[in-house]
Amino acid sequence: AQKITQTQPGMFVQEKEAVTLDCTYDTSDQSYGLFWYKQPSSGEMIFLIYQGSYDEQNATEGRYSLNFQKARKSANLVISASQLGDSAMYFCAMRELGAGNNRKLIWGLGTSLAVNP
Amino acid sequence: DTAVSQTPKYLVTQMGNDKSIKCEQNLGHDTMYWYKQDSKKFLKIMFSYNNKELIINETVPNRFSPKSPDKAHLNLHINSLELGDSAVYFCASSQLRAVEAFFGQGTRLTVV
Repeated sequence: AQKITQTQPGMFVQEKEAVTLDCTYDTSDQSYGLFWYKQPSSGEMIFLIYQGSYDEQNATEGRYSLNFQKARKSANLVISASQLGDSAMYFCAMRELGAGNNRKLIWGLGTSLAVNP
Repeated sequence: DTAVSQTPKYLVTQMGNDKSIKCEQNLGHDTMYWYKQDSKKFLKIMFSYNNKELIINETVPNRFSPKSPDKAHLNLHINSLELGDSAVYFCASSQLRAVEAFFGQGTRLTVV
């Protein structure tokens, strides 16, 4: 069965330091996508980064990078040079992409990140 | 222009009432979704429509009825509201074969 696990309910990081948010997943499909979303206190869901299961390179988007280890089924989010505005909930999600799939996103429970000045 | 817009942003209502949440997207996407985020921040898919056709219907009470008048709109109607329906409801849209889903700002429903 599909499952996303985020084992860190809360994390603290000092401003300007890097932080890694953990995500492991479970799927029997060969074709899937992994996502990270940010939810600030204002409530909206903001797409951060995507990694496809067949992508050979780790995805990067500005200060965000995804440390994809397929054999270990992990897709950790790395935020470099943390800023105060990075304080938010972060959700890892997965979508199976095989034919006939309905493309729904399966979500982890989230990690609350607090950036200290 | 807001890509995915939901109205209202906040909704407080009494138990037993019927209410609707509206969602519109101007991205030309063919698929729209409703997600529910509970008090513990857990997100779960409720419904999805592709080209106005229902493709996902998770285990949701039949008091919840989605309606898609056209590809750009997916409304959520809830009958006989219960305390447990209090949550944040997110609308999202995507192309079915695409990667990213765009989310609305959420509707915080409080049933009292």
